[in-house]
Amino acid sequence: EMQLVESGGGLVQPGRSLRLSCAASGFTFDDYAMHWVRQGPGRGLEWVSGISRNSGSIHYADSVKGRFTISRDNAKNSLYLQMNSLRAEDTALYYCAKSKRSIVVVADFDYWGQGTLVTVSS
Amino acid sequence: QSVLTQPPSASGTPGQRVTISCSGSSSNIGSNTVNWYQQLPGTAPKLLIYNNDQRPSGVPDRFSGSKSGTSASLAISGLQSEDEADYYCAAWDDSLNGVVFGGGTKLTV
Repeated sequence: EMQLVESGGGLVQPGRSLRLSCAASGFTFDDYAMHWVRQGPGRGLEWVSGISRNSGSIHYADSVKGRFTISRDNAKNSLYLQMNSLRAEDTALYYCAKSKRSIVVVADFDYWGQGTLVTVSS
Repeated sequence: QSVLTQPPSASGTPGQRVTISCSGSSSNIGSNTVNWYQQLPGTAPKLLIYNNDQRPSGVPDRFSGSKSGTSASLAISGLQSEDEADYYCAAWDDSLNGVVFGGGTKLTV
């Protein structure tokens, strides 16, 4: 059974850092692109970042560019999101999502984790 | 303000057919495939339609997608109470170099 399990969320002060992880199982992790998508309280979905199967292609939303870094460890079947200089507007439920394809330039996320909550507040 | 434009709400009665529109531009819907997601209350989104009009296995054929130019639509026929959810369209945007979502449509049955 395909599974994505996020971890690493929590309460953090503005300006601080947090690292999210996503553990994948039940599929060949290094065959697919992976993404992070977030959803603020009572808000819609917002794409954050995506990474191709071999990390050769990485993209970020303008709202997080320069502050967040996506990475993956195919040997550990894991996806990461390093979040620096956090702001109140980064408060959201962060989902890890698997693409149907190996390339990152598509929005076809066929499996999602349950999310990990990040709250940025003093 | 979302890059893809969806109506904030839609409604129908059981058995009816409803459509949800998604309007974009040449850099997203006009040049890339459209995908639709269903998000039931308190749950993670679920892929409903991919590649404009393809249904993943397990998605009932009551759900269908279409695309024309810079717009796309999701149609739900034989509406059921369990279809009450938020629906989002999404596509890659060549100008922004990222995925763009619609603002979401809350469907009430």
